[in-house]
Amino acid sequence: GNSVTQMEGPVTLSEEAFLTINCTYTATGYPSLFWYVQYPGEGLQLLLKATKADDKGSNKGFEATYRKETTSFHLEKGSVQVSDSAVYFCALSNNAGNMLTFGGGTRLMVKP
Amino acid sequence: DAGVTQSPTHLIKTRGQQVTLRCSPKSGHDTVSWYQQALGQGPQFIFQYYEEEERQRGNFPDRFSGHQFPNYSSELNVNALLLGDSALYLCASSFITGVKPNTGELFFGEGSRLTVL
Repeated sequence: GNSVTQMEGPVTLSEEAFLTINCTYTATGYPSLFWYVQYPGEGLQLLLKATKADDKGSNKGFEATYRKETTSFHLEKGSVQVSDSAVYFCALSNNAGNMLTFGGGTRLMVKP
Repeated sequence: DAGVTQSPTHLIKTRGQQVTLRCSPKSGHDTVSWYQQALGQGPQFIFQYYEEEERQRGNFPDRFSGHQFPNYSSELNVNALLLGDSALYLCASSFITGVKPNTGELFFGEGSRLTVL
């Protein structure tokens, strides 16, 4: 079956530090890959996505590249801000019905 | 444009009781999915409704049931509640048929937090 594994948190960084959150997956076929973010007290929001190998998703300074050879989709940001503090979820979908399989989430805390 | 709305936001039940959670999808969306998010974990897929029928189902017992109405809104029902059912229940909407291409994105509500005592 499908599964997503993320690095455990919390990840604590100082403002303007470089961020990497690791994500690896197991799936049949060619899934689409997503990063969702959950800010305190809010619902999940799509941060970025990639639908095929070597695609790079990007949004709000965050990037992730779909690496089929390593089955990975690591999230990166060059300079984090306090407002990036949230829980980040890696997810995959391999059917047109958009059923998502999520990782366990990684909490990011950014200190001023 | 209203997003996905869920009600109630919080509720407390006791073991053995039944609960109904409600969801209105984002305008223009015809598909509703339900997810269970236990504390500190990622959401887990319960089921998905389209055209008033359950299209897909995750690994959840029959105590979990749902319904979709002609206006695309949906309900999640859980019978014979257990302590382990305590979680945040998330509704997500998307569309299968429509003018715009399906990008695969789900739009989530803020969730209904259920506590079972």
